[in-house]
Amino acid sequence: AQTVTQSQPEMSVQEAETVTLSCTYDTSESDYYLFWYKQPPSRQMILVIRQEAYKQQNATENRFSVNFQKAAKSFSLKISDSQLGDAAMYFCAYGSNTDKLIFGTGTRLQVFP
Amino acid sequence: DSGVTQTPKHLITATGQRVTLRCSPRSGDLSVYWYQQSLDQGLQFLIQYYNGEERAKGNILERFSAQQFPDLHSELNLSSLELGDSALYFCASSVARRGPWTDTQYFGPGTRLTVL
Repeated sequence: AQTVTQSQPEMSVQEAETVTLSCTYDTSESDYYLFWYKQPPSRQMILVIRQEAYKQQNATENRFSVNFQKAAKSFSLKISDSQLGDAAMYFCAYGSNTDKLIFGTGTRLQVFP
Repeated sequence: DSGVTQTPKHLITATGQRVTLRCSPRSGDLSVYWYQQSLDQGLQFLIQYYNGEERAKGNILERFSAQQFPDLHSELNLSSLELGDSALYFCASSVARRGPWTDTQYFGPGTRLTVL
């Protein structure tokens, strides 16, 4: 069975600085997808970024980028130029296309001015 | 706004009661997923429907059931409620067809259920 592990329950960063959130996963499948979702205090689940396992190039969305290491089964999220609005819970998720998502336990990110 | 709607936003009820949560998927999405998020926990998959048919089941209790209607909206029915059922219930939708795209689940705002 697939598992997703987020080993950092909490992280903090100064405004305008860079922070990296870690995620590892376990799977025997070769075709899968990885996601980072953000959950602010409103509790809405917001898609931040997604990565296809077959792509070697790391995904980037504005200030958000990933470091996808397929052999190591690692999928970290880097947030550059952190903003106060980035404060939230961040969940790493694994999915096989058209299938359910398996979520990690989340990392709470605090951003200090 | 993800385009997925859920009603009601909040629900407060007593133990032993039955409630129905409703979800309307994004336009064009055929699949609906239900997830449960207990306090400060990750999301646990409950059940998936695709075009009216049950496709996958997760850790869904026998007291819970769901269906997807011809207009593709879905309802999650929770019965004989217990205190431990208090949680945030999310609905997500996706196209759920294999193709040259990444099937991405978009989440509704959730229904917060409180069982007293």
